[in-house]
Amino acid sequence: LAKTTQPISMDSYEGQEVNITCSHNNIATNDYITWYQQFPSQGPRFIIQGYKTKVTNEVASLFIPADRKSSTLSLPRVSLSDTAVYYCLVGELSGGYQKVTFGTGTKLQVIP
Amino acid sequence: EAGVTQFPSHSVIEKGQTVTLRCDPISGHDNLYWYRRVMGKEIKFLLHFVKESKQDESGMPNNRFLAERTGGTYSTLKVQPAELEDSGVYFCASSHRAGSYDNEQFFGPGTRLTVL
Repeated sequence: LAKTTQPISMDSYEGQEVNITCSHNNIATNDYITWYQQFPSQGPRFIIQGYKTKVTNEVASLFIPADRKSSTLSLPRVSLSDTAVYYCLVGELSGGYQKVTFGTGTKLQVIP
Repeated sequence: EAGVTQFPSHSVIEKGQTVTLRCDPISGHDNLYWYRRVMGKEIKFLLHFVKESKQDESGMPNNRFLAERTGGTYSTLKVQPAELEDSGVYFCASSHRAGSYDNEQFFGPGTRLTVL
């Protein structure tokens, strides 16, 4: 499984756009990149997944450069409720299943 | 639609005792996973069921841990005998049909296990 590296923590003011970058230098050809969000005392929650270029949904955008050795999760106009830990995961999809390993994650603190 | 549920939410036991954790996945989800986070560490994969079959149990720490999923519905994770280092939060997750590429994992709230 590809190892991922993310900043341990980030602070942002409400209303700002937040970009969290994840490094995954040894990503394999069949690996997909997935981001999860976790609030205290809850299980992780899927945010977005991509393979290359850009993916956007109602919550976030995911930017993946051509070499796929990194990815950036972009959260537009964050609010206090976006304070959480964000995990970048990399793993192969096989038979509807992605084996993933969670790293340390990035603790995002949104400040009023 | 109900999410993934786990029972109990918190369990406190003494070293050497047995504890059984239960996970009810989202109805219709064939894939079921167990993870755990011990104090101060990262969330680690334990095992993966496809229906009632163990697809991957490479993350199970030792033979004190036994996971079952009889009938392919709910799953139990038994720890016997429990040791101090087993303390942590145990998460269960489920995802869609086997063979589907809708692989988003839905996590339960976790069971916090404390071994004294």
